[in-house]
Amino acid sequence: GENVEQHPSTLSVQEGDSAVIKCTYSDSASNYFPWYKQELGKGPQLIIDIRSNVGEKKDQRIAVTLNKTAKHFSLHITETQPEDSAVYFCAADDSSYKLIFGSGTRLLVRP
Amino acid sequence: DAGVTQSPTHLIKTRGQQVTLRCSPKSGHDTVSWYQQALGQGPQFIFQYYEEEERQRGNFPDRFSGHQFPNYSSELNVNALLLGDSALYLCASSPLGAKNIQYFGAGTRLSVL
Repeated sequence: GENVEQHPSTLSVQEGDSAVIKCTYSDSASNYFPWYKQELGKGPQLIIDIRSNVGEKKDQRIAVTLNKTAKHFSLHITETQPEDSAVYFCAADDSSYKLIFGSGTRLLVRP
Repeated sequence: DAGVTQSPTHLIKTRGQQVTLRCSPKSGHDTVSWYQQALGQGPQFIFQYYEEEERQRGNFPDRFSGHQFPNYSSELNVNALLLGDSALYLCASSPLGAKNIQYFGAGTRLSVL
């Protein structure tokens, strides 16, 4: 079955810097890759997603890139702000509508 | 427009007991998926319901069962609770024709003592 690995587990950046979180997946049949932000005491919030027929997608300060050949996808956050501090999860759809999640990255944005 | 709502928010049970968790999907969504999130880990898929039937199931024992009602709301039942069942239980709903696009509720925190 699908396996998703996520790095780093923790990331600390200065406000205004960029943050990059990377994930790899194992199942070449996976075709949908969402990213979620989870704040303390809340459920995961879908922040951006990408499908396998697209290499990059942007939404304001957030972008996601996908390399199907290498089975890598990454989340890029530019001009980070303290409110970006949270746990971020990548996920892959194993083509049966089950989402397989990575282990999460705790992002801390220092003011 | 209300998002995905789950009840209760917190629950404390003892080993061996049974529990029922509830989920109401977003308006216009017909598919409900349930996940278990242990502390410090990513969510793990339990099962998915649409058209009132279980369609996909993850690697969870038969003690975990569910139901979907005609109004698309759903229940998750766990029998014979174990200490290891302590976790955040998340419900996600998906819009018509887009089952992999999943929006999560705030979850139910279950503690088994």
